[in-house]
Amino acid sequence: QKEVEQDPGPLSVPEGAIVSLNCTYSNSAFQYFMWYRQYSRKGPELLMYTYSSGNKEDGRFTAQVDKSSKYISLFIRDSQPSDSATYLCAPGGGFQKLVFGTGTRLLVSP
Amino acid sequence: DTGVSQNPRHKITKRGQNVTFRCDPISEHNRLYWYRQTLGQGPEFLTYFQNEAQLEKSRLLSDRFSAERPKGSFSTLEIQRTEQGDSAMYLCASSLARLGSNTEAFFGQGTRLTVV
Repeated sequence: QKEVEQDPGPLSVPEGAIVSLNCTYSNSAFQYFMWYRQYSRKGPELLMYTYSSGNKEDGRFTAQVDKSSKYISLFIRDSQPSDSATYLCAPGGGFQKLVFGTGTRLLVSP
Repeated sequence: DTGVSQNPRHKITKRGQNVTFRCDPISEHNRLYWYRQTLGQGPEFLTYFQNEAQLEKSRLLSDRFSAERPKGSFSTLEIQRTEQGDSAMYLCASSLARLGSNTEAFFGQGTRLTVV
């Protein structure tokens, strides 16, 4: 079993849709839950992160963590074509030695 | 540009040759990380430095791989006797670690290696 599981997609949605991206992880010691966005031929960039359980909102993005089920989610409201990218979850003990999922490729069509 | 800089951006090499990549972290960042990303996969941790000290190496870092950060600033990653399986994007990241805290890691654009 991989330490972090993520559906690779692609996930295709029309502009304006609500997008739900998900990951599961196996290490119950993880306390930080990061979401990175990676555009084609670019390095990943940190989108947002949460510490421990709960929700965190940042503009159109909401990150949700359920430590009891080891399940993390990223919701994107009012999706835009510029959101088309690969979204990588990276739960871990902190920012060092990140453990990434495979990434979910999102395509938002105008 | 004050971000993480990686050179070269692309490298094509013949199997069996040695290659070296360079990473210049964000100024004053004391931690530097190397990751490898193959097509359709997320980045995989290879190694990281705090200043000039290499603190951790992944099992993925075989003895053909060596990383250095001689003066605690830029870093090099060398692959000896390259194999086709080494073809990947090599990503460098840096962060600022202080006692009890560590900022987010900022990634460079990566070096794409193709071994033919």
